[in-house]
Amino acid sequence: DVKVTQSSRYLVKRTGEKVFLECVQDMDHENMFWYRQDPGLGLRLIYFSYDVKMKEKGDIPEGYSVSREKKERFSLILESASTNQTSMYLCASSSPPGGGSGNIQYFGAGTRLSVL
Amino acid sequence: RKEVEQDPGPFNVPEGATVAFNCTYSNSASQSFFWYRQDCRKEPKLLMSVYSSGNEDGRFTAQLNRASQYISLLIRDSKLSDSATYLCVVNRGLTGGGNKLTFGTGTQLKVEL
Repeated sequence: DVKVTQSSRYLVKRTGEKVFLECVQDMDHENMFWYRQDPGLGLRLIYFSYDVKMKEKGDIPEGYSVSREKKERFSLILESASTNQTSMYLCASSSPPGGGSGNIQYFGAGTRLSVL
Repeated sequence: RKEVEQDPGPFNVPEGATVAFNCTYSNSASQSFFWYRQDCRKEPKLLMSVYSSGNEDGRFTAQLNRASQYISLLIRDSKLSDSATYLCVVNRGLTGGGNKLTFGTGTQLKVEL
């Protein structure tokens, strides 16, 4: 079974703090993703990585950065947390299209971040 | 227009009923299609992929109409445990290697006794 593990289920931070969200997958997947999910807006892609040290902006990258130093780990960084970044953050991984399970994304349990 | 549109529901149905959800997508280059299920306060999980010829997995049947850019999910003999939000998901075509997915906002199903 694919396992995607996010470091925290719940996190409370103060405005202006630097926040790190960590994600680890154990399936040797090339692709990793960070989303946020808000009521009525669904899942929105923040950043995407298709290989170590490679990253690509998603639909809403402003206020976020990412790091992928090892294949299995993808970190999301909020440089200076703001209240509008209060949300559920979901990490996912997948293998590239073309394979048997290519393109299917597997999610971690999510981190519910509150910024006060 | 949203890239993936779904009726948010909720659909309230009695146990044993048949219920159908529909979804439309705007990107004609999309090549991969899925239904995901998301339970309350949990992560999305793959329910089934959707193939051009239509496919069935137990009580669940998925259909794809590429000409109309329309995807459907049929659930027969609904169970209480089917209560969840169902997300329609499509890939974004070949841009970025086809890796990125677009998620609909979901259709909520409540199965009642």
